[in-house]
Amino acid sequence: DAMVIQNPRYQVTQFGKPVTLSCSQTLNHNVMYWYQQKSSQAPKLLFHYYDKDFNNEADTPDNFQSRRPNTSFCFLDIRSPGLGDAAMYLCATSRDRASGYNEQFFGPGTRLTVL
Amino acid sequence: DQQVKQNSPSLSVQEGRISILNCDYTNSMFDYFLWYKKYPAEGPTFLISISSIKDKNEDGRFTVFLNKSAKHLSLHIVPSQPGDSAVYFCAASPNFGNEKLTFGTGTRLTIIP
Repeated sequence: DAMVIQNPRYQVTQFGKPVTLSCSQTLNHNVMYWYQQKSSQAPKLLFHYYDKDFNNEADTPDNFQSRRPNTSFCFLDIRSPGLGDAAMYLCATSRDRASGYNEQFFGPGTRLTVL
Repeated sequence: DQQVKQNSPSLSVQEGRISILNCDYTNSMFDYFLWYKKYPAEGPTFLISISSIKDKNEDGRFTVFLNKSAKHLSLHIVPSQPGDSAVYFCAASPNFGNEKLTFGTGTRLTIIP
């Protein structure tokens, strides 16, 4: 089945220790997104890639970076995690805007704990 | 500033009855709306959407209604089934084909057998 895969599902890191979350997709979608979702809050878009074009949200902290080496993979790097970065991180994909589809397909998420 | 609001954090409905989940938005530029369903330990999955050129869209047991003047949409599930127990997120985008979605905080729906 075509899908969005996130690894690991659970990640524990120490305060200030860099961490990388990964996302892969078999849907061959042009657009990939990273969302942060804290408890009882709405998923918040951090950034997205349209093909190789990186689009950062204005309020995404510099501590968060992303890489998309190819169509299938996208990484979220947190350079110096703070306690406030503990959250669920959701990866999503969608077809390109020319297709006219807004539907985003989500992975299961990675729950990040910062000690 | 929460541009998409789901004011009911939770809702319980008897099996077989109608479930009505509500969503309000403040940004008048939004004109495409989606509902997502999320089970524990899974990512959100797309359920149904509606464009501002319509006021109703139906897909099986699920119907979404849009009232543009009130900036309000609702999701109706009828009849409700135990498998519908999940968190439902409302999302909005400025136009059809725009890749950016703004999500609400979700409503946890519990269907009581």
